[in-house]
Amino acid sequence: AQSVTQLDSHVSVSEGTPVLLRCNYSSSYSPSLFWYVQHPNKGLQLLLKYTSAATLVKGINGFEAEFKKSETSFHLTKPSAHMSDAAEYFCVVSEGGQGSTLGRLYFGRGTQLTVWP
Amino acid sequence: ETGVTQTPRHLVMGMTNKKSLKCEQHLGHNAMYWYKQSAKKPLELMFVYNFKEQTENNSVPSRFSPECPNSSHLFLHLHTLQPEDSALYLCASSQRGRLAGGIQETQYFGPGTRLLVL
Repeated sequence: AQSVTQLDSHVSVSEGTPVLLRCNYSSSYSPSLFWYVQHPNKGLQLLLKYTSAATLVKGINGFEAEFKKSETSFHLTKPSAHMSDAAEYFCVVSEGGQGSTLGRLYFGRGTQLTVWP
Repeated sequence: ETGVTQTPRHLVMGMTNKKSLKCEQHLGHNAMYWYKQSAKKPLELMFVYNFKEQTENNSVPSRFSPECPNSSHLFLHLHTLQPEDSALYLCASSQRGRLAGGIQETQYFGPGTRLLVL
């Protein structure tokens, strides 16, 4: 069964300091993993995705995430936070597996990122 | 317009009203989805349409009725809703395909309709 755990419901950082948003997953098959961002009163925007290619994935706005199979983790990082990064971030796993025709997404509960000036 | 659009962006309705939410995708995708996002809860998948055919109904009450007339448009018809149905309703689309060894699929989301049921 697939599941996603975002380890922090809230993260606060100062502008210019690094960001770390943690995510652990469980999956029966080789998963696809995603990070989405949601700004207030907006829909979800794709930040980056992992689909069994390079384990270090670079996304938009300077974010990146590393897939670590041994730790079943897919943490999101950014070297230097900006005020505009304040939003809610969702870690998502998609079912995969040989012969599967499903692409159902499983969402974490979200991490609210606050950036202080 | 590009991407996935949703109208209206905000909707207030009484429990006896009938209203519809509209979603349109301009990405040439073959699958569309309705999600419900309530405060303090993970996103809940409601319905999935693949090539205009409903392939998943995630135990959604019958007061929510989806319609997919073509692969670019998706509606959610609402009637006799309850206050607990107040939420952000998100539409998404994707291109369903298959890569060697598994599925690769990215869903693209619209901005959502903020629904308040009084």
